[in-house]
Amino acid sequence: GAGVSQSPSNKVTEKGKDVELRCDPISGHTALYWYRQSLGQGLEFLIYFQGNSAPDKSGLPSDRFSAERTGGSVSTLTIQRTQQEDSAVYLCASSLGSAGAILFFGPGTRLTVL
Amino acid sequence: RKEVEQDPGPFNVPEGATVAFNCTYSNSASQSFFWYRQDCRKEPKLLMSVYSSGNEDGRFTAQLNRASQYISLLIRDSKLSDSATYLCVVLNDYKLSFGAGTTVTVRA
Repeated sequence: GAGVSQSPSNKVTEKGKDVELRCDPISGHTALYWYRQSLGQGLEFLIYFQGNSAPDKSGLPSDRFSAERTGGSVSTLTIQRTQQEDSAVYLCASSLGSAGAILFFGPGTRLTVL
Repeated sequence: RKEVEQDPGPFNVPEGATVAFNCTYSNSASQSFFWYRQDCRKEPKLLMSVYSSGNEDGRFTAQLNRASQYISLLIRDSKLSDSATYLCVVLNDYKLSFGAGTTVTVRA
């Protein structure tokens, strides 16, 4: 069956450019999370969606980061004016029903900012 | 203080050995606990949930000590395929917080 998909799988961009990362969660999963993982580091929580609402955006590192979710399905994470410290793997995960259920992760988008 | 802390390892063990490691968490009100496994350059996947009474899944045993706020994972009869990074995960409300992981390498 289809799992969580993310696109692009790899993105190389120049400092100062905007990037948009996409996540397609498992159909029917109402909870959606974005995390990022820097090389050799743990997962850093960015944002959580329940349906189309994001009750907690406090994990977003700066106002250059934004995320939205439409139709209770696809989510996009946008990073404006990228900086080198934004380089990381951005992971999306979804879960069925309420938060705290098992997370299913996508393969991630590896972002490199030159 | 980090919400979830783990010994990064690495733990290098021979096949067939037993390896165990802990994770500590800072929020005494945390509701649920999990171990995830992450292979190199892959996404994390759920290994097992951790229940208050402790639980086993084959060669894997997880324990929770709420009084001391730590979780443990024990792997018996290690296999080469157990080589991975093991992530401790703690649920607070809706937020799942991940430790940085403990790396285990099983050698032939």
